[in-house]
Amino acid sequence: DAKTTQPTSMDCAEGRAANLPCNHSTISGNEYVYWYRQIHSQGPQYIIHGLKNNETNEMASLIITEDRKSSTLILPHATLRDTAVYYCIVSANTGTASKLTFGTGTRLQVTL
Amino acid sequence: EAQVTQNPRYLITVTGKKLTVTCSQNMNHEYMSWYRQDPGLGLRQIYYSMNVEVTDKGDVPEGYKVSRKEKRNFPLILESPSPNQTSLYFCASRGWGGSSPLHFGNGTRLTVT
Repeated sequence: DAKTTQPTSMDCAEGRAANLPCNHSTISGNEYVYWYRQIHSQGPQYIIHGLKNNETNEMASLIITEDRKSSTLILPHATLRDTAVYYCIVSANTGTASKLTFGTGTRLQVTL
Repeated sequence: EAQVTQNPRYLITVTGKKLTVTCSQNMNHEYMSWYRQDPGLGLRQIYYSMNVEVTDKGDVPEGYKVSRKEKRNFPLILESPSPNQTSLYFCASRGWGGSSPLHFGNGTRLTVT
C-alpha cells in the first residue's frame, strides 16, 4: 500500500472548517483514500473514503486532486468533539494489498 | 448491531504467562486484522487474515500468533508475553471486494510486568 504523509498537528476554532491535508504521491490506480479518526484511546472510527471523485457524507467531505497524489478531509463546522487524531491511509481492497499501514496521523485540536 | 468485539478490555499479566485476546465480528467479514498502538508510533499491523485458515504477517508480528478457524473469530495469542508487548491492541475487520472500510473494536489495554 502507498505511504501517506500528514502534518503532525493542526488547530481549528470551533465552528470553522477544518481542512486536513494528506499526501500520497505513490498511490496506485486501484487504491482508495480512506480517512479515520481516533478519539482519545477509542477504536479508530471510519469517516469517509474515495477513489477519484470528491465525496461527501454526513460527517465530512473528501477532496482528491486530479492527479490523486494528495487529498484533503474537510470538517465543515468543527466542534470540540472533533478533537482527535485523524489518519489518512490508501489501500486497494484486493487480495494482494491487505497490509494497511496507518502512520501517526494528524492531531486536530478544536478550540473555543 | 454490527460490531467488532474484543475481550478483555484491560489485562494485566506477568512475563511468560500465555494469554489470548479474543476478537469476534458479526458482519460476516472476510478480512480481519490486529494492530498495536504505542505512543509516538501510531497503529502498527501485527497480523491479518483474508479468510478462514489464511493468515499473514503485518509489520510487527514477532512474539504473536493468530488463528482463523472460523470466519467470525480471530484471536491474538501471546505465547510468552514480555514487557515490550505492553500496548493498546485493536482488532478490525472489513468485507472483501469493492471499497468497504475497516471496522474497529474498542481495544484491549495490555500490561505485562
